[in-house]
Amino acid sequence: GQQVMQIPQYQHVQEGEDFTTYCNSSTTLSNIQWYKQRPGGHPVFLIQLVKSGEVKKQKRLTFQFGEAKKNSSLHITATQTTDVGTYFCDMEGSSNDYKLSFGAGTTVTVRA
Amino acid sequence: SAVISQKPSRDICQRGTSLTIQCQVDSQVTMMFWYRQQPGQSLTLIATANQGSEATYESGFVIDKFPISRPNLTFSTLTVSNMSPEDSSIYLCSVDSHPGAIHGYTFGSGTRLTVV
Repeated sequence: GQQVMQIPQYQHVQEGEDFTTYCNSSTTLSNIQWYKQRPGGHPVFLIQLVKSGEVKKQKRLTFQFGEAKKNSSLHITATQTTDVGTYFCDMEGSSNDYKLSFGAGTTVTVRA
Repeated sequence: SAVISQKPSRDICQRGTSLTIQCQVDSQVTMMFWYRQQPGQSLTLIATANQGSEATYESGFVIDKFPISRPNLTFSTLTVSNMSPEDSSIYLCSVDSHPGAIHGYTFGSGTRLTVV
C-alpha cells in the first residue's frame, strides 16, 4: 500500500530563519494537500497541489510538487512565532482513492 | 468551504461506557470521514460514512467498537463503545465540501476524549 514519509518530525527554528519540511510517497500521487494544526487546534487546509512540478506560494510559504508526483515540500521563509504548529501533508493516490494518507507531521517551534 | 460543528469538544468518561460524538455540516456533503489523532501523532482514518449506506471501516477499526450513523447529508455520529484508557484520543470528523475541484478537506474542531 501507499506509504508516506514526512521529515523532519521536529523543527526548532530561530525566528527569522527559513526551514523546509518534506513529504515522500512510495507511489505516484494524484494530488497532495498541506494542512497546519496549531497546538490544541484542528487541521486547517493550506493548499492543494495537483500538477507535476507545480509551485504555489502563500506569502512566506512556498509549496512544491515533484516532477514525478511522488514528493512535495513546504518551505517557510523568515519564520515567525505565528508559524508554530504541526504541518501535515496528506496524499491522495493516483488510483482515485479518495482516502487521505497523512504524513506524520512536522512540529515546528520558534525561538524568538 | 463547509463549516462543521462538532460536539462535545471534550469529555472525561469512565471505562466501559460509551460516548457519541456528533458532527453537523452547514451544507450537504456526500462523504464524511472520522479520524483519530492520538497525542503528538498524525491522523488515522477510522471510517468513511456515506448517507444511506453502512460506513466503510479501515483496517484495525470495527463497527462494534465504533458504530457510525449517517442519517442525512449534513450529519453524522461516531460512537466510541465500551471505552478503555487506550481510546483516549482526539476524534475528528472531516468533509470534502468541493469534490472534483481544487479543494481541501474541512475538519471539525475535534473531541478530546479522556477515559479513566
